[in-house]
Amino acid sequence: DAGITQSPRHKVTETGTPVTLRCHQTENHRYMYWYRQDPGHGLRLIHYSYGVKDTDKGEVSDGYSVSRSKTEDFLLTLESATSSQTSVYFCATGTGSNQPQHFGDGTRLSIL
Amino acid sequence: QQQVKQSPQSLIVQKGGISIINCAYENTAFDYFPWYQQFPGKGPALLIAIRPDVSEKKEGRFTISFNKSAKQFSLHIMDSQPGDSATYFCAARMDTGRRALTFGSGTRLQVQP
Repeated sequence: DAGITQSPRHKVTETGTPVTLRCHQTENHRYMYWYRQDPGHGLRLIHYSYGVKDTDKGEVSDGYSVSRSKTEDFLLTLESATSSQTSVYFCATGTGSNQPQHFGDGTRLSIL
Repeated sequence: QQQVKQSPQSLIVQKGGISIINCAYENTAFDYFPWYQQFPGKGPALLIAIRPDVSEKKEGRFTISFNKSAKQFSLHIMDSQPGDSATYFCAARMDTGRRALTFGSGTRLQVQP
């Protein structure tokens, strides 16, 4: 386990409300990623960060924003949640060298 | 656009049998191919990985076979055990730029005792 903590682990909220998911790492890894996991799609990249305040979009970034003000924390925000954003969200970290990514245990988000 | 295609979607194998999961990729710039194992309620965990300069890698009961010309790779689980029952994902990555993983859609493996 690469010391990745995701919070909350479960959340139920209503359409139109803002939601923020947190990823905290203790490994000082440079790269951090947010993926969402949906049946039949595997995991898909939402946003990633390659350093403090350096972020970029992934393949499914619409409706999401991210922030990274410290090496150890990477926040994912749904500004106005929609039912299509019901999913399991995983944070991952990487060193940027030829090493594997490590994943947190996910946040299950339900938007009613 | 699905850059990594994985099959089968689900697989049932008897204890002691061989489990085989296949993946095909499109982007020839990929240069790292990991397999992840995921149990319910947990995040994916790296199982084994290969780079395109080798055709096979074995770690215990798990073997990756890699065919660069066909752009295919597969996971073989020998002597499958009930504890291997999980969802398996193949993935691919370029070791430059963002280094994000592109995942297959997953295979749910059930090993029957």
